[in-house]
Amino acid sequence: AQSVTQLDSQVPVFEEAPVELRCNYSSSVSVYLFWYVQYPNQGLQLLLKYLSGSTLVKGINGFEAEFNKSQTSFHLRKPSVHISDTAEYFCAVSDMGSQGNLIFGKGTKLSVKP
Amino acid sequence: NAGVTQTPKFRILKIGQSMTLQCTQDMNHNYMYWYRQDPGMGLKLIYYSVGAGITDKGEVPNGYNVSRSTTEDFPLRLELAAPSQTSVYFCASRPGTNEQYFGPGTRLTVT
Repeated sequence: AQSVTQLDSQVPVFEEAPVELRCNYSSSVSVYLFWYVQYPNQGLQLLLKYLSGSTLVKGINGFEAEFNKSQTSFHLRKPSVHISDTAEYFCAVSDMGSQGNLIFGKGTKLSVKP
Repeated sequence: NAGVTQTPKFRILKIGQSMTLQCTQDMNHNYMYWYRQDPGMGLKLIYYSVGAGITDKGEVPNGYNVSRSTTEDFPLRLELAAPSQTSVYFCASRPGTNEQYFGPGTRLTVT
């Protein structure tokens, strides 16, 4: 079985500062990894995904994440955040042999202040 | 494409009442999912379906039922609503690749 730990429940940051949202996972098999974003009162939108290949993946809105197999991590980064990045971010994992079922972390609320 | 649509957006139920949350997708995806989201807990899988006529339980299925008679529709049924079912419910669908596409959610309150 897989599990996902998002190490910070809330991250406050000032506009134009860099940010890193941390995600660690646990699995006995190879996995796919995802980051989703949820804006207030909306559904989830895919930011980026790691399926295979390059461990550095780029997503929408200037976000990127790096897959580190030895540390079982998939941290999300952005070099300069905007007010509009204020949202909740979810890390998720699915194993390669499943029905595509996602296991989600508990989420990190990113709050960007002017 | 409208993507994944859910109705209603909001609903208040009394304890013991029943209701069906509707989910429709127009992307011809075989896989569909129901999640519930509680504050600070992330999303938990209730039920999923790999195609019309095939459904299976997820992590938290108790108190819910589903059916999948068509590729497009995947309704979620609450038979005897309880306060513990107060939550935001999300439907999602997936093509052959691994990313899921989410609907806007239904906010349910049981009092």
